[in-house]
Amino acid sequence: GDSVTQMEGPVTLSEEAFLTINCTYTATGYPSLFWYVQYPGEGLQLLLKATKADDKGSNKGFEATYRKETTSFHLEKGSVQVSDSAVYFCALIPTGNQFYFGTGTSLTVIP
Amino acid sequence: DADVTQTPRNRITKTGKRIMLECSQTKGHDRMYWYRQDPGLGLRLIYYSFDVKDINKGEISDGYSVSRQAQAKFSLSLESAIPNQTALYFCATSDSGLAGAEQFFGPGTRLTVL
Repeated sequence: GDSVTQMEGPVTLSEEAFLTINCTYTATGYPSLFWYVQYPGEGLQLLLKATKADDKGSNKGFEATYRKETTSFHLEKGSVQVSDSAVYFCALIPTGNQFYFGTGTSLTVIP
Repeated sequence: DADVTQTPRNRITKTGKRIMLECSQTKGHDRMYWYRQDPGLGLRLIYYSFDVKDINKGEISDGYSVSRQAQAKFSLSLESAIPNQTALYFCATSDSGLAGAEQFFGPGTRLTVL
């Protein structure tokens, strides 16, 4: 069935370090892929998305590229800030129905 | 004002009590969802509704029921709460199932069952 597997956390980085959070998926057809972010005490909000192979989603310095050949959508940021501390969720929507979320990766950035 | 609101934001109750969590949205979306979030398990879908007359079970519907009172309102009920239903509950909405249609989340309800 359809599913998302993402890198387990927690991840702790120093400010200005490079971030990668891995996400791979299993799905039939051509799913759309998403990264959501959850700041402490808040609901999830969309960070970026990609709807077809080779698309790159980007927002707030974060990027992820839809790689169909490796079924991956890894999240990257070149220089993290303390304000990026949050939980990050990879998600997919296979054919226009329900979303499938990964288990979340907690990121803490220390000054 | 927030587009997706949930009430209450926090609730502590006892085993066996009936609990209702409410969700309202002003986005005009047809699709609404209820999820629960548990540490290490991510978000799991409880129920979803694609319009007022449509209700579908999700991955973990046992012990829960829902009511879609109007396009803008979707309530989740626990008929007889048990401690393992202690979790963070989120309501979400989306406009359609077309490619790239994101879900919009409410702020969550933290439920504790003693």
